[in-house]
Amino acid sequence: GAGVSQSPRYKVAKRGQDVALRCDPISGHVSLFWYQQALGQGPEFLTYFQNEAQLDKSGLPSDRFFAERPEGSVSTLKIQRTQQEDSAVYLCASSASGTLPTGDTEAFFGQGTRLTVV
Amino acid sequence: AQSVTQPDIHITVSEGASLELRCNYSYGATPYLFWYVQSPGQGLQLLLKYFSGDTLVQGIKGFEAEFKRSQSSFNLRKPSVHWSDAAEYFCAVVGRTGGFKTIFGAGTRLFVKA
Repeated sequence: GAGVSQSPRYKVAKRGQDVALRCDPISGHVSLFWYQQALGQGPEFLTYFQNEAQLDKSGLPSDRFFAERPEGSVSTLKIQRTQQEDSAVYLCASSASGTLPTGDTEAFFGQGTRLTVV
Repeated sequence: AQSVTQPDIHITVSEGASLELRCNYSYGATPYLFWYVQSPGQGLQLLLKYFSGDTLVQGIKGFEAEFKRSQSSFNLRKPSVHWSDAAEYFCAVVGRTGGFKTIFGAGTRLFVKA
């Protein structure tokens, strides 16, 4: 596609409910990232995939958070038993580079999914 | 600890005036440096990046940034601000080794007055 697409754009979940957030990266992009952006804050790294391999999940805040990218394209971020502190915008980004960014590559961000836990 | 500091939470400038947004980083070695802009309800758009070489980098929309190693700074500048520049600006770093994690500052919100 033309850009990184995330769905849904908005999600309201009752506390304790499970949610799944989808990211469609730019076609052919090797790297995919998830970030969490709380209100009034900068994005915080959650996890990173290179193709289907999850190479870094150090930013996932708890074992309630799980991400997958089974075929190396679409990715899903799942949050189990949502809590109010999970309310945030979840951003997905993709990059053509399979290694650390080089001078001619950049990460492209989606518009995010705003999750509100009530 | 690795961190990015944007000391100004918000800045207001008049349209046509010059702009400087400050960014300082704390990192073991000089990282890759980025500035992003985020408009309400939008994703992050890359303005410019520094990898190596010339310490003054040019970006899109008339923005530039200067890397100063001695000050661990990467300040963003624009000579003449337009009303459409009103947005949130984030400074970010990525380490040159050991992973792909991007560390963002807390952001500076720019208000432009007529």
